[in-house]
Amino acid sequence: QVQLVESGGGVVQPGRSLSASCAASGFTFRSYGMHWVRQAPGKGLEWVAVISYDGNTKFYADSVKGRFTISRDNSKNTLYLQMNSLRPEDTAVYYCARDRTPTEDGMDVWGQGTTVTVSS
Amino acid sequence: AIQMTQSPSSLSASVGDRVTITCRASQAIRNDLGWYQQKPGKAPKLLIYAASNLQSGVPSRFSGSGSGTDFTLTISSLQPEDFATYYCLHDYHYPRTFGQGTKVEIK
Repeated sequence: QVQLVESGGGVVQPGRSLSASCAASGFTFRSYGMHWVRQAPGKGLEWVAVISYDGNTKFYADSVKGRFTISRDNSKNTLYLQMNSLRPEDTAVYYCARDRTPTEDGMDVWGQGTTVTVSS
Repeated sequence: AIQMTQSPSSLSASVGDRVTITCRASQAIRNDLGWYQQKPGKAPKLLIYAASNLQSGVPSRFSGSGSGTDFTLTISSLQPEDFATYYCLHDYHYPRTFGQGTKVEIK
């Protein structure tokens, strides 16, 4: 079945780095744009970043621009989020999600999330 | 960035009630809006895309309308499994932004 599974979360000190991964299965990963969305404890959803199906186009939220990098390896059906210079306010559950179609129109498949905690 | 303002932030309703949630964009976004449902501890679920299109597998009691700046999600007859938090999200351009959410609680 169509599935996204995140991994790589954990506890990290402020200023340090962490990398999250999202393994895709059950669909042609290389055909879809992919997103990261996060949710701080008790808060709403925040869109973080997107990467095009071929990896050539990327956009970021202002809150993470210059610190986070989204990438993908289509040969491994895997999406990544490299998080540098982490701050306490980056503490959140991080979800990966798939564009519904090549023209976007929503995110129709989501992972279960991986938790990142930034604390000294 | 486009600001998405949802209202109300929370509401109490009974099973069988008709529920309406609104989302207003700070600028016109055509019909580039989706609605998502999230239950505690779970990932969001796409309900409506392109403002008024029902995602496959979503019950027909959910409907969406609107274009430009004003959008509405309607649940025609609230069911026990519908108690959750609902978010709008524009996909007009980047950065994407969510509304702040509407928590639907049991009266």
